[in-house]
Amino acid sequence: EEQLLQSGGGLVQPGGSLRLSCAASGFTFSIFAMSWVRQTPRGGLEWVSAITGSGGRTYYADSVKGRFTISRDNSKNTLSLQMNSLSADDTAVYYCAKAQVGSTSYYGAGYWGQGTLVIVSS
Amino acid sequence: QSALTQPPSASGSPGQSVTLSCTGASSDVGVYNYVSWYQQHPGKAPKLIIYEVSKRPSGVPDRFSGSKSGNTASLTVSGLQAEDEADYYCSSYAGSNNLVFGGGTKLTVL
Repeated sequence: EEQLLQSGGGLVQPGGSLRLSCAASGFTFSIFAMSWVRQTPRGGLEWVSAITGSGGRTYYADSVKGRFTISRDNSKNTLSLQMNSLSADDTAVYYCAKAQVGSTSYYGAGYWGQGTLVIVSS
Repeated sequence: QSALTQPPSASGSPGQSVTLSCTGASSDVGVYNYVSWYQQHPGKAPKLIIYEVSKRPSGVPDRFSGSKSGNTASLTVSGLQAEDEADYYCSSYAGSNNLVFGGGTKLTVL
């Protein structure tokens, strides 16, 4: 059974940093692209970042480019999101998600983690 | 402001069909066949129900179907059931390695 178990998150001050992790099991992690998607307090979904199966290519939304870094360790079946220079606008529930199709197409997220809450506030 | 436009609410009675719309632009929905639909129940993670405009993942009932015409994608739920009451989000590839979502539609089963 596929599983994505998220950890990290919590309360952080503006300007601070946080690292999210997502441990995968039940599927061949290295052959699927992975993404991070966040859900804001208003409820809307926003794509944040994606990474190919090999980890060779990474993609970012303009709103996080230069501040967030996505990475993966295929030997440990783990996806990470390093978030720096956080602001209140980054407050959201963050989900990791597995691509529905293949190692390069992150356009459809076939399976999602349980989500982890990030609150940026002083 | 979401890149894709979805009506905030929709409703239907059990057994009826309802169609949810997702309007984008010629730079996203209109040009790429990478439209996905997600169902989200309160307190749960989103679940993929349609990808690449009209494909259903394994385990998704064939009551759910997707289509696209021009810059607008649609999700049709046939034979509405009580458990279909949820929020529905569309997404589309928008070029330049960017993925955009709609604001979501709350579907109520009357």
